Amino acid sequence: DAKTTQPPSMDCAEGRAANLPCNHSTISGNEYVYWYRQIHSQGPQYIIHGLKNNETNEMASLIITEDRKSSTLILPHATLRDTAVYYCIVRESLHTGTASKLTFGTGTRLQVTL
Amino acid sequence: EAGVAQSPRYKIIEKRQSVAFWCNPISGHATLYWYQQILGQGPKLLIQFQNNGVVDDSQLPKDRFSAERLKGVDSTLKIQPAKLEDSAVYLCASSFDFGTGGEKLFFGSGTQLSVL
Repeated sequence: DAKTTQPPSMDCAEGRAANLPCNHSTISGNEYVYWYRQIHSQGPQYIIHGLKNNETNEMASLIITEDRKSSTLILPHATLRDTAVYYCIVRESLHTGTASKLTFGTGTRLQVTL
Repeated sequence: EAGVAQSPRYKIIEKRQSVAFWCNPISGHATLYWYQQILGQGPKLLIQFQNNGVVDDSQLPKDRFSAERLKGVDSTLKIQPAKLEDSAVYLCASSFDFGTGGEKLFFGSGTQLSVL
């Protein structure tokens, strides 16, 4: 069952910020938002995750709305190597003790162009 | 740090044959996952292990697929007999627990299976 909605594709010029949206209107209080990406012919790669607060790491920033019903992944200066499929996933905290699956949808195909 | 190792990288078999995939997770990672990714789709979880016990195998077609994780380290996934619709990339992942309720999965490069 899809818990997230993402646009199927987006384009971004190299050097510009890429803002990838995700809707998760049915998210529950103990569910994290995760982002992974998959470059062609490789396995998915973890990018970032968050619960309520905005998060930033060396790869990206994650902005979660106050009501937690949507989020945006920001790649501040996109490069050609960021061309990939980006997956937004919601998943229960491991602390709930339930075996919640990390379920991938079809993601957003980001094309970074010169 | 060594990543998740998978072999073989590619495999071509005929339908009704058997095939096995091997995965060596990152050292110290207790949780191991097998995913199936059909062309154009996102990865689909087949089975999740915690150490050498199965946590979730609800989407594993148990009439033909089997998996084991001996001694809580390496894992093998087997298909017997294979069908045309099993053509896919089989991904293995192991995970790091942040301790805050979040988890980070590390994926291998996968085994691309073609069933003719």
